[in-house]
Amino acid sequence: EVQLVESGGGLVQPGRSLRLSCAASGFTFDDYAMHWVRQAPGKGLEWVSGISWNSGSIGYADSVKGRFTISRDNAKNSLYLQMNSLRAEDTALYYCAKDINSGYDWPLFDYWGQGILVTVSS
Amino acid sequence: DIQMTQSPSSLSASVGDRVTITCRASQGISNYLAWYQQKPGKVPKLLIYAASTLQSGVPSRFSGSGSGTDFTLTISSLQPEDVATYYCQKYNSAPPTFGQGTRLEIK
Repeated sequence: EVQLVESGGGLVQPGRSLRLSCAASGFTFDDYAMHWVRQAPGKGLEWVSGISWNSGSIGYADSVKGRFTISRDNAKNSLYLQMNSLRAEDTALYYCAKDINSGYDWPLFDYWGQGILVTVSS
Repeated sequence: DIQMTQSPSSLSASVGDRVTITCRASQGISNYLAWYQQKPGKVPKLLIYAASTLQSGVPSRFSGSGSGTDFTLTISSLQPEDVATYYCQKYNSAPPTFGQGTRLEIK
């Protein structure tokens, strides 16, 4: 059974940093691209960032480019999102999502974690 | 970036009704279109990809069609458990873009 478990969220002040983690199990992690998708309270889905199976291709939404960094450790079956210079508008439920493909070029999400809440507020 | 526009934003229908949701891309995306279902308080679930291919385990009352810029999600006979928000998503290239969602309720 595929499982994606996010951690590292919480309340943080504007301008500060936070690191999200996603622990994956139930599939061969290094065969697939992985992504972060977020959902602000009461709003729709917004893709944040994606990374190919070997970290060779990485992409970011314009809204987080230059502030967020995605990475993965295939030996630990883990995905990460380093979030710097956080803003109030980054407040959202952050989902870790598995791609149906190994590459980052056709992002399609077949499994999602339960999500972790990030609240940016003073 | 390509924009995805769904209509309607919300709709209310009766059990057994045929329901159709549309999604329009601002540029052609061939058939690189997926539909997700998000039930209240739950995680999004992939329903359909490649515009018309049902993900494993999805009931056959769900179907998708379209190519290029115009796509539809159809529920042939609405069931109470179909209450959810439905999102389309294009994946012909990064960045992937979601529609704004269609909230479906039972009348």
